[in-house]
Amino acid sequence: EDQVTQSPEALRLQEGESSSLNCSYTVSGLRGLFWYRQDPGKGPEFLFTLYSAGEEKEKERLKATLTKKESFLHITAPKPEDSATYLCAVRKMASNTGKLIFGQGTTLQVKP
Amino acid sequence: EAGVAQSPRYKIIEKRQSVAFWCNPISGHATLYWYQQILGQGPKLLIQFQNNGVVDDSQLPKDRFSAERLKGVDSTLKIQPAKLEDSAVYLCASSLSGGYTDTQYFGPGTRLTVL
Repeated sequence: EDQVTQSPEALRLQEGESSSLNCSYTVSGLRGLFWYRQDPGKGPEFLFTLYSAGEEKEKERLKATLTKKESFLHITAPKPEDSATYLCAVRKMASNTGKLIFGQGTTLQVKP
Repeated sequence: EAGVAQSPRYKIIEKRQSVAFWCNPISGHATLYWYQQILGQGPKLLIQFQNNGVVDDSQLPKDRFSAERLKGVDSTLKIQPAKLEDSAVYLCASSLSGGYTDTQYFGPGTRLTVL
């Protein structure tokens, strides 16, 4: 069964304290892995797409990496404005649609 | 560039009542998606349209949910009759072509509470 699992469910950091969020997946062939950020009361906001193992993408304090079984979202020296829920999603190789399978998200709180 | 628009933003109804949500995708986007996000969970795809045709509705509870995309632009999602477990945020997303490199852009969602 296709599954996307994110850990931890919740993470509290002090401002400047770097950490990583994990997204592990079991799908029959990965066509792409997506990271989104979701603020309370808003829709998910696109961050990155990764397509193959070893690929890395960066944006400001965020860096996403991909292996054959999981992806990490590294947050370097986070600021309070990085507080949000981070969602990862996968698109299957066998899918002829754009369907994304989402994990449950990691809620990040960064305290000043 | 204007984003995905949705209305209403909030809706409270009694169980067994009907409700409809509206979505206007990003201009030029051929593909439109409706997702259901229950509190504490990630979004789950309900239905995908390519222009005005349905591509995937395998997870749409067809006994109570219906959706249409007339003229390949705006879309409406309807629930009739609503159940308590339908309480969720309904997200609309759009993408350029639905291809595997496509990025989906989400609207702000409609929060539905069924009492």
